[in-house]
Amino acid sequence: EAGVAQSPRYKIIEKRQSVAFWCNPISGHATLYWYQQILGQGPKLLIQFQNNGVVDDSQLPKDRFSAERLKGVDSTLKIQPAKLEDSAVYLCASSFLPAYEQYFGPGTRLTVT
Amino acid sequence: AQSVTQLGSHVSVSEGALVLLRCNYSSSVPPYLFWYVQYPNQGLQLLLKYTSAATLVKGINGFEAEFKKSETSFHLTKPSAHMSDAAEYFCAVSEPGGSQGNLIFGKGTKLSVKP
Repeated sequence: EAGVAQSPRYKIIEKRQSVAFWCNPISGHATLYWYQQILGQGPKLLIQFQNNGVVDDSQLPKDRFSAERLKGVDSTLKIQPAKLEDSAVYLCASSFLPAYEQYFGPGTRLTVT
Repeated sequence: AQSVTQLGSHVSVSEGALVLLRCNYSSSVPPYLFWYVQYPNQGLQLLLKYTSAATLVKGINGFEAEFKKSETSFHLTKPSAHMSDAAEYFCAVSEPGGSQGNLIFGKGTKLSVKP
């Protein structure tokens, strides 16, 4: 069974630029999560999708972050414009249903200079 | 609100020694508890989870954890450390019965294993 795929693995941008991350969850997983992991901290949930609907985006900085999950499969997380404090690893996870085990992708390491 | 505290951002043990990683939680209801491991440049992998069944939970790679409600703790142990155990370990909590399954993570403990 293929795991959660993410791309790119690494990205370096300047502040005020925009960036997009892509996630392909495990086949059949209805729930998809995006986490932000700042160096030295644990992952923090940014947004949760159930199929193509948003379940929880209470911690998503909506003035600059956006995410979508068209057709309930792949998802894209965008940052526009980026700030220095957005430097982090962005992890995508999926689960069969909410509260089931979450499977994590390898993450995208973003550096904002 | 739920929270997780991991005592010690860095733990170092010798190969073959006991591994003990500490986790305390705060929750208004009996929670579900998890331990994840993260190897460099990789995503998180579930080691074990407590979901209100047996208080002693066995996981992969020889790890186990015990849920102690009176101490609000869920410490991770392994009797004998191996070099391959060197990684970062995260404790996480979620509210059972919730439809969302959101995980609240601790800050992590980096485990080093000396030969």
